Amino acid sequence: GQNIDQPTEMTATEGAIVQINCTYQTSGFNGLFWYQQHAGEAPTFLSYNVLDGLEEKGRFSSFLSRSKGYSYLLLKELQMKDSASYLCAVINNAGNMLTFGGGTRLMVKP
Amino acid sequence: DAGVIQSPRHEVTEMGQEVTLRCKPISGHDYLFWYRQTMMRGLELLIYFNNNVPIDDSGMPEDRFSAKMPNASFSTLKIQPSEPRDSAVYFCATTRLASDIQYFGAGTRLSVL
Repeated sequence: GQNIDQPTEMTATEGAIVQINCTYQTSGFNGLFWYQQHAGEAPTFLSYNVLDGLEEKGRFSSFLSRSKGYSYLLLKELQMKDSASYLCAVINNAGNMLTFGGGTRLMVKP
Repeated sequence: DAGVIQSPRHEVTEMGQEVTLRCKPISGHDYLFWYRQTMMRGLELLIYFNNNVPIDDSGMPEDRFSAKMPNASFSTLKIQPSEPRDSAVYFCATTRLASDIQYFGAGTRLSVL
């Protein structure tokens, strides 16, 4: 089975840095995705990690440790528009099905 | 490309009625996934297709739910009869390869009264 845990909510200040953690216990692993979802909209792709380490993409970075079943999404220089839910998702061994965590709702305050 | 197109965007119906949700995938994407999203259960995979063939429907909640993909350009998710607990946002997502980035449609917000 798949078990993916993320904090339900986080609050941060505009201009600051925030780290959203995700832990997973899965029967198989073939990569981890982070998606962003604004209220009332569809999830959109942010990042993908399959090997251990840090992937940086502009203000957003994602880290993976396969041995610890752990990932985080780091958002720098927070902007008000970053207020959204952030979904961690693990792809199974066969590489054909995503299981999503419950999502972390991030509120950015002025 | 216009992206994944879902219709309708909103659907309000009464308990017991049949509901049909539609999805047009991105051209060239061979995988199509149907998800349901609720506050309580988050985003759940219902069923997925590869080259129009249903591969895994283990997430379909019960026999009231059915999905078809008659061709590479169109898929439907049908609920018959609908119940209030089916109220949710239903997303369709497609991808070129199974492990590739999934692109989501705007979703259909279903309310069953």
